[in-house]
Amino acid sequence: ELKVEQNPLFLSMQEGKNYTIYCNYSTTSDRLYWYRQDPGKSLESLFVLLSNGAVKQEGRLMASLDTKARLSTLHITAAVHDLSATYFCAVVENNDMRFGAGTRLTVKP
Amino acid sequence: NAGVTQTPKFQVLKTGQSMTLQCAQDMNHEYMSWYRQDPGMGLRLIHYSVGAGITDQGEVPNGYNVSRSTTEDFPLRLLSAAPSQTSVYFCASRTDRGKSYEQYFGPGTRLTVT
Repeated sequence: ELKVEQNPLFLSMQEGKNYTIYCNYSTTSDRLYWYRQDPGKSLESLFVLLSNGAVKQEGRLMASLDTKARLSTLHITAAVHDLSATYFCAVVENNDMRFGAGTRLTVKP
Repeated sequence: NAGVTQTPKFQVLKTGQSMTLQCAQDMNHEYMSWYRQDPGMGLRLIHYSVGAGITDQGEVPNGYNVSRSTTEDFPLRLLSAAPSQTSVYFCASRTDRGKSYEQYFGPGTRLTVT
């Protein structure tokens, strides 16, 4: 069964600090998604990672994919309050998309 | 280009009632899907479609029906609503043409079953 596990589930950071969110999955899929969700809102696409070793960066966020280890990371650099949100990873296998439980990130001044 | 649209935004049903959640996209995407999101959880796939006339079950299909008669529309039907179906429902669409694989979500429908 396709499983996706994220950790941590809750993350409280101070502004200016760095941290990493981890996403482990059980399939051999090489397609992994990262989304951001603000309270009461829909999901906003951050990254689509399509191959082993893929790395993408946007602003203070950088995502990477290691298909051999079945692991993706979302690294946050010098966090700012605007990054406070819930972050989800998701994996696709045979058109079945499975999401992690999400990491609720709070960035404090 | 409206992207993915969903109606209604909010709905309250009584147990046993039926209703249809509407989803439409104007991007000519072949793949459409329905998810539910329960409080504090990730999204779970209900049903999906890889093209007009083709649908399949996801992780949590029981109690829901779908059909795909056109590329643009993918309605989700609740046959006999139950309190366990109280959730936020998201529709999404994607194309694998061009190899972007980007998936876009609608704004969601918040459903309460009493």
